[in-house]
Amino acid sequence: DGGITQSPKYLFRKEGQNVTLSCEQNLNHDAMYWYRQDPGQGLRLIYYSQIVNDFQKGDIAEGYSVSREKKESFPLTVTSAQKNPTAFYLCASSPLGYYQPQHFGDGTRLSIL
Amino acid sequence: AQTVTQSQPEMSVQEAETVTLSCTYDTSENNYYLFWYKQPPSRQMILVIRQEAYKQQNATENRFSVNFQKAAKSFSLKISDSQLGDTAMYFCAFMILNYGGSQGNLIFGKGTKLSVKP
Repeated sequence: DGGITQSPKYLFRKEGQNVTLSCEQNLNHDAMYWYRQDPGQGLRLIYYSQIVNDFQKGDIAEGYSVSREKKESFPLTVTSAQKNPTAFYLCASSPLGYYQPQHFGDGTRLSIL
Repeated sequence: AQTVTQSQPEMSVQEAETVTLSCTYDTSENNYYLFWYKQPPSRQMILVIRQEAYKQQNATENRFSVNFQKAAKSFSLKISDSQLGDTAMYFCAFMILNYGGSQGNLIFGKGTKLSVKP
């Protein structure tokens, strides 16, 4: 079945450590997105990419980095510069076009040790 | 700046009854899309219903329907015959169309937690 796979489901980070969240999709979608969700908040856009080897910052990109070397993959690195990384992270993808809905993965919960 | 406001942090409804979730938004754009997403305890985001701003007819999807009032910038979700499986966070979101018609980014409200009681 086609879909978006995020791994791991739970991730723990030590102080000063970089961690990478994986997002893979087999839907042949051009666009991919990373969102952060905090308790009582909606989703906020971190980064998005509409084509391989190109990506743009969203509303809260500071302390995060991404790469898009393959169409299917859009990993997110939470760097040590992100001082409050504890959150739920959701990856999404969509085709490009006038209107195409975003499809979401199951998310990764990141916590600080 | 575009914003989405959901004024009801929590709501509850009895099974089989009808409930309406409110959403207002603010944008100066004329071409955009509106969505309701559902996030059950499993945390996956599921598209419930969508509405194109240029369409006057309200969208419906089985038990889910919207009341879209463009002039008032209001986009409420009505759930009829509520079921226990409808218990979830519901997020209202909109997306503007960029110049040339390509899609912009989704902007979400803070959500309404709906509990369906047996």
